[in-house]
Amino acid sequence: NAGVTQTPKFQVLKTGQSMTLQCAQDMNHNSMYWYRQDPGMGLRLIYYSASEGTTDKGEVPNGYNVSRLNKREFSLRLESAAPSQTSVYFCASSEALNEAFFGQGTRLTVV
Amino acid sequence: GENVEQHPSTLSVQEGDSAVIKCTYSDSASNYFPWYKQELGKRPQLIIDIRSNVGEKKDQRIAVTLNKTAKHFSLHITETQPEDSAVYFCAASFFNKFYFGSGTKLNVKP
Repeated sequence: NAGVTQTPKFQVLKTGQSMTLQCAQDMNHNSMYWYRQDPGMGLRLIYYSASEGTTDKGEVPNGYNVSRLNKREFSLRLESAAPSQTSVYFCASSEALNEAFFGQGTRLTVV
Repeated sequence: GENVEQHPSTLSVQEGDSAVIKCTYSDSASNYFPWYKQELGKRPQLIIDIRSNVGEKKDQRIAVTLNKTAKHFSLHITETQPEDSAVYFCAASFFNKFYFGSGTKLNVKP
């Protein structure tokens, strides 16, 4: 039982490049999330998916797109990376009124 | 959306002392309040949670209290140990979206 798995763990991008962060969970959860973590700012919600085929903007969605491919997988895409998107990205999943389980995180640097 | 505020941002205590971290939330529709511990370079992990129909919950040295009227909740750690040193986050679940506080860095001095 792997829980929530994210890839890659580290990535360096040049400004303007694109990339997709992958996330998969094996806990049969309906809800999945993408967060970014910056020093002193906690975890901020980028996008949320309540179920397969649905997505909803969070607190900081600009510059990102998401895709809920199926119940297990929820990907985050940066179409044109900017230095302001340098951050640690966490994927998470949960069921209603229960804890969110986090992936191990992706450390992204945009130069 | 929801707005969660967390205080203090840093907290330093002597081993064996108690630590208290406080959070407030803005939307009365929030109904689930988890607390996470994050060690350096690791993912956040749940340490305790409370639902809106409960006022207090305890698990060994950790307790959480919730005041729905005032819209605030607190984490209490007793008999702190060096391994409690980490960053702690509170969160409020609003229509199943989790909104997090900005974190408290707890340092327990031996």
